[in-house]
Amino acid sequence: DGGITQSPKYLFRKEGQNVTLSCEQNLNHDAMYWYRQDPGQGLRLIYYSQIVNDFQKGDIAEGYSVSREKKESFPLTVTSAQKNPTAFYLCASSIEGLATTEAFFGQGTRLTVV
Amino acid sequence: AQTVTQSQPEMSVQEAETVTLSCTYDTSESNYYLFWYKQPPSRQMILVIRQEAYKQQNATENRFSVNFQKAAKSFSLKISDSQLGDTAMYFCAFMSGITGANSKLTFGKGITLSVRP
Repeated sequence: DGGITQSPKYLFRKEGQNVTLSCEQNLNHDAMYWYRQDPGQGLRLIYYSQIVNDFQKGDIAEGYSVSREKKESFPLTVTSAQKNPTAFYLCASSIEGLATTEAFFGQGTRLTVV
Repeated sequence: AQTVTQSQPEMSVQEAETVTLSCTYDTSESNYYLFWYKQPPSRQMILVIRQEAYKQQNATENRFSVNFQKAAKSFSLKISDSQLGDTAMYFCAFMSGITGANSKLTFGKGITLSVRP
C-alpha cells in the first residue's frame, strides 16, 4: 500500500544531542514537508522541499536541518541548537506542491527531551 | 504573509446535531485554496474538505460542507448529523494558488470538537 511513513513513533533525546527523524513516502510525490505541532499552536512549517536536492526554510527552521537526496526520503535533524525541541512532528507529502492536491501526512513522531 | 485564525479553541455538540466551526484568513491574493483537516486522537491528519477560491459554489463532502465567503475572508465548516467519530481536532488551512518554491500550507491553531452521546 502506498503511503507516508514516519519513524520512530516515540523518540527520547538527551539535552545537547542531535537526533534524526525519518520520513519516507512511496507515493511518488515531488513535495515533502515537515511540521511541528505544539498544544495551542497549530502546525508550524519547519522545512519543505519541492524537488530532490532542494529545500526551503519554513517559519521555524532555526535549530533544524534537512536533506533531500532521494525523492522518497526527507529526514529531519533536530540539532542541539533547537532550544525547545519537545514536540510532535508531522511529515507530509504532495504532488507538485499542495495547491493542486491534498497533502498526505505520516503518523507523526513524538520527540521528548529528557 | 498569510494568516489563518480559528478563534474558538473548543466546541461541543450533541450527537446527531449540527455544528459549525469558524475560520477566517488574511491574504492579498485572489487565487488560493482552503482546507479543513481533521486530527482524531490517533493524531493522523485527514483531509475533510477543500475549496478553491475561484469557485463560487461551496464544497460539500457527505455530512461536511463549507460556507466560503471570499469578500469576508471567512471559511466555516458545517458538520451535519454529528457522530461520535467526529470527535477530533479540526484545523483550517490556507494554500497560495501560486505553486513553486514559495508555496506552503499555513494552518490555524485548531479547534477541539467533542461530540456528546
